Amino acid sequence: KNEVEQSPQNLTAQEGEFITINCSYSVGISALHWLQQHPGGGIVSLFMLSSGKKKHGRLIATINIQEKHSSLHITASHPRDSAVYICAVSTGNQFYFGTGTSLTVIP
Amino acid sequence: DGGITQSPKYLFRKEGQNVTLSCEQNLNHDAMYWYRQDPGQGLRLIYYSQIVNDFQKGDIAEGYSVSREKKESFPLTVTSAQKNPTAFYLCASSTISGGSEKLFFGSGTQLSVL
Repeated sequence: KNEVEQSPQNLTAQEGEFITINCSYSVGISALHWLQQHPGGGIVSLFMLSSGKKKHGRLIATINIQEKHSSLHITASHPRDSAVYICAVSTGNQFYFGTGTSLTVIP
Repeated sequence: DGGITQSPKYLFRKEGQNVTLSCEQNLNHDAMYWYRQDPGQGLRLIYYSQIVNDFQKGDIAEGYSVSREKKESFPLTVTSAQKNPTAFYLCASSTISGGSEKLFFGSGTQLSVL
């Protein structure tokens, strides 16, 4: 059983589309993280949140603590958004990672 | 610029050989981690260290070893006992940010077996 589940596994979108990636978790958390991994492998942190909603440019992350669910939204998607998006949760001294959502945005 | 530096980017291992992956950080973080990434799987924890001269095994420590002699450095050795070492290895470090830990990652090392 995975502590963090993401959906969908793969996603293809046309440029300009609104994109949603979902994440559910089963453990008590201190924070939830959305990470981005580009081809070449390095990972960058997009958001860390423990409640509510955060926005950075065209990216929006929300979390519902009661439902143990988070979503990452991308508005007006662009080919440069093509990457793997990983949901992770921290429990104070441990991190658990989803398997990632591979996003391809077609021009 | 502060960050985490992993080297080499690509590494090849021969049968029976030990290889060491380097991880250096200048973020002044206490905690450092090694993760293994395989296609279709989430990141899996190999070892982590919360303080100099101390480290703990993660979920898949067999066939690996680490040291933490300096705060900045956390090298990972893949020993000959690791029978399936081909994977992408990521080093990370963390700080406490707003009461929760924020993770910073290196750019990774792809290890392949010759």
